[in-house]
Amino acid sequence: EDKVVQSPLSLVVHEGDTVTLNCSYEVTNFRSLLWYKQEKKAPTFLFMLTSSGIEKKSGRLSSILDKKELFSILNITATQTGDSAIYLCAVEWADSWGKLQFGAGTQVVVTP
Amino acid sequence: DTGVSQDPRHKITKRGQNVTFRCDPISEHNRLYWYRQTLGQGPEFLTYFQNEAQLEKSRLLSDRFSAERPKGSFSTLEIQRTEQGDSAMYLCASSKGVGPGTDTQYFGPGTRLTVL
Repeated sequence: EDKVVQSPLSLVVHEGDTVTLNCSYEVTNFRSLLWYKQEKKAPTFLFMLTSSGIEKKSGRLSSILDKKELFSILNITATQTGDSAIYLCAVEWADSWGKLQFGAGTQVVVTP
Repeated sequence: DTGVSQDPRHKITKRGQNVTFRCDPISEHNRLYWYRQTLGQGPEFLTYFQNEAQLEKSRLLSDRFSAERPKGSFSTLEIQRTEQGDSAMYLCASSKGVGPGTDTQYFGPGTRLTVL
């Protein structure tokens, strides 16, 4: 059965800390992996990764994919309280364009 | 606001009643998706449309669920004879439909359904 597993499920950090979130997958027909940030409402898009070893970066957030070991990490440096959210990882299946399978998410709480 | 919009934002209903939700995608987005999210879980795929054609339905979608996108613009999701297990956040997303591996889905704020 295809799975997308995120770890940790939750964590609490202090402002200024660096956070590393993990997403591993067991999807037989992988096409792409996406990261979303979800606060109280709609998930907002962060990154789409399709190639191994190429880091994508946006401000203090960065992400990389390892297609051999079947995982991705999302890093947040110099965390701020506004980074508090649930971070969702999703995999797009190769045999069904756009059909995303999400992990359960990692809840990040950044304390002042 | 040119993002994905959903209506209503909250719906409380009694078990056995029918409910209908609406989603308006970003203008000119060809693809529209419905997901369901329960507490502590990521969104689960329900169904999606390419223009007005419904291309796939999840096996999670029982016969009580039906979705339409009659003119290839807005979509409706109807749940008949609601059950308490239908209580969840129903999310809609849309994308340009430019191609696999490049097509970003943008989500609406969701409709939170509570079945009493």
